[in-house]
Amino acid sequence: KQEVTQIPAALSVPEGENLVLNCSFTDSAIYNLQWFRQDPGKGLTSLLLIQSSQREQTSGRLNASLDKSSGRSTLYIAASQPGDSATYLCAVETGANSKLTFGKGITLSVRP
Amino acid sequence: GAVVSQHPSWVICKSGTSVKIECRSLDFQATTMFWYRQFPKQSLMLMATSNEGSKATYEQGVEKDKFLINHASLTLSTLTVTSAHPEDSSFYICSASAGASTDTQYFGPGTRLTVL
Repeated sequence: KQEVTQIPAALSVPEGENLVLNCSFTDSAIYNLQWFRQDPGKGLTSLLLIQSSQREQTSGRLNASLDKSSGRSTLYIAASQPGDSATYLCAVETGANSKLTFGKGITLSVRP
Repeated sequence: GAVVSQHPSWVICKSGTSVKIECRSLDFQATTMFWYRQFPKQSLMLMATSNEGSKATYEQGVEKDKFLINHASLTLSTLTVTSAHPEDSSFYICSASAGASTDTQYFGPGTRLTVL
C-alpha cells in the first residue's frame, strides 16, 4: 500500500528565504507525482506535475524534483513571499484509474 | 484551464438527514470523477471513483449505502451523504478527469459539511 509522508507538518520562514519542502513515498512504481497548494477552507490548486520519466519541473519560482528510485521529491520555492503561505500537498499516482495518494501536507507560513 | 465547481460550498444539517453535494466540470467532459474526504490536518482520502454511466468503485472502508454516488452525465457527479451523523462532518472535495487513466485531475473547491 502506497504511503506518502511530508515532514515537517508546519514551517515558518521569513520573507525572501529560499526553502525546500520534502515528500517521500514508499512504492516507487508511480506514474507521476504532483504538488498542490491548498489555502484554508479551499480546494486544491495544482502547482507542478512530474511524470515518472522526468527528473524535475519548473514553474516561475517553483521547482520540483523527483527521485523515483529513492521515493523522494522536493519542492523548492525561491525568494518566498507572504502570499506563498498555504498548505502544500504532495500526491503520487499509482496503479490504474488515476488513483492519487496524498501526504498530509506542509503548512507554510512566510512572515513579512 | 479546466474548471470544476462544487455546490454547495458549505452546508449545515441535522443528524439523520441526507445531504447532496454536486460536482460539475464546467468546460470539459469528465469521463471519471473522484470523491475525496479531508479531515482537519489530515490528507485527502479517496472515497470512490465514478465513471459516467456506471456504478462507482468505492475504496475499502467506505460504506456505499451511506455515501451514494451518481455520475449520470459527463459533466455532473453527485455525492449524497445519507442519514448523516456528526462523525460525517468533513471537507468533501471532488476532482474530474477528462479521459485516460493517466489524465490530469482537476479539483473542485470543496464542500464543508457540518452535521449537528
